[in-house]
Amino acid sequence: EADIYQTPRYLVIGTGKKITLECSQTMGHDKMYWYQQDPGMELHLIHYSYGVNSTEKGDLSSESTVSRIRTEHFPLTLESARPSHTSQYLCASSESGDNEQFFGPGTRLTVL
Amino acid sequence: GENVEQHPSTLSVQEGDSAVIKCTYSDSASNYFPWYKQELGKRPQLIIDIRSNVGEKKDQRIAVTLNKTAKHFSLHITETQPEDSAVYFCALGAGGFKTIFGAGTRLFVKA
Repeated sequence: EADIYQTPRYLVIGTGKKITLECSQTMGHDKMYWYQQDPGMELHLIHYSYGVNSTEKGDLSSESTVSRIRTEHFPLTLESARPSHTSQYLCASSESGDNEQFFGPGTRLTVL
Repeated sequence: GENVEQHPSTLSVQEGDSAVIKCTYSDSASNYFPWYKQELGKRPQLIIDIRSNVGEKKDQRIAVTLNKTAKHFSLHITETQPEDSAVYFCALGAGGFKTIFGAGTRLFVKA
């Protein structure tokens, strides 16, 4: 079944660690996104991609990087985690143009 | 840059009443207006969307209206039920670039 997947679902790490949050979709979508969201609050766009080898920064600068080497895979890396990074991270994908975004289940990150 | 303002931030209604959430925007190039519902602990999901060539769209108890001249669009939920309690986000797209989300409205439906 076509879906969008995120791993890990929960992560607790110490300050200064480097981490990668994984996102994969089997929907064949060109566009992918990363959002940061505290529970029930505003969605903050971190990065997005129009397709392979395309990455763009969103409005929220969070000392993170992304890559898009394959259409289905869009990992997010935090080079040095800080307590302010504690939040939920949602990955999403959509077809090209203005279309519905499909969200993954999220990764809940806690930085101690 | 483009932004969208969403009101109210919190809305409490009695079961069976109607709920209306409104969003205003500034970029006249916006042409896609989706609404997402996020239940507690769940991911956001699209519930209805409208494109700029249509003024109104309805799907059972939910409807969206668009006023391009005044640059606002609204979500209408009739005959509200407790399961409608959630956070609702409006959004807009313009020409296939990034989607802009509103800040969200927390809807409480009291039984």
